[in-house]
Amino acid sequence: QSALTQPASVSGSPGQSITMSCTGTGSDIGRYNYVSWHQQHPGKAPKLMIYDVANRPSGVSARFSGSKSGNTASLTISGLQAEDEGDYYCISYTGSDTWVFGGGTKLTVL
Amino acid sequence: QVQLVESGGGVVQPGRSLRLSCAASGFSFWNYGMHWVRQAPGKGLEWVAVIGYSGRNKQHADSVKGRFTISRDESKNTLFLQMDSLRADDTAVYFCARDFTGHYTFDFSGQGTLVTVSS
Repeated sequence: QSALTQPASVSGSPGQSITMSCTGTGSDIGRYNYVSWHQQHPGKAPKLMIYDVANRPSGVSARFSGSKSGNTASLTISGLQAEDEGDYYCISYTGSDTWVFGGGTKLTVL
Repeated sequence: QVQLVESGGGVVQPGRSLRLSCAASGFSFWNYGMHWVRQAPGKGLEWVAVIGYSGRNKQHADSVKGRFTISRDESKNTLFLQMDSLRADDTAVYFCARDFTGHYTFDFSGQGTLVTVSS
């Protein structure tokens, strides 16, 4: 199973909005509405930010939103804050109890 | 609160074995599926294995299938990963993670344990 494709890096200034993409295939993102996004700060455990394409767990800021179109999922962060800086990974279910991850996007808040 | 604490990592020679443990607390361990996820140095996350809440259903990534085995002990609230025939490209931080039931992802992870495969 090939990894999902994410841009290596994105950046934005405080207060701005950014969107990062996650591209898969018709066997993963295109087939299942089970895309999640995880934030990771250096040396830390991943943190779930979005699940089922567009749902936020309790405690996650409403500035984070997710969407999907075809084989591509997107994560949008509005009102960028310094604490948003970190690595973001998309994950998709691929059926038969298997998952595929994206390579990660490094978000820099300028 | 949910706590997952991994242990068992270290330096091991290629071809040897290692068993990782993940001690769970703060939730009903027997009610949740569990995952192992790994991250090679400077690289992205990679899904490794999953086990259902009953322990009967297991699945492993193709990259580790036949070499790694996930298991659990309900009496000890502990998840395991038996790693055999280790290779240099298995070098990574290994995280255990709680399955987010019904949503096909994981919602909590531990801090990880480092496995280094080197001669």
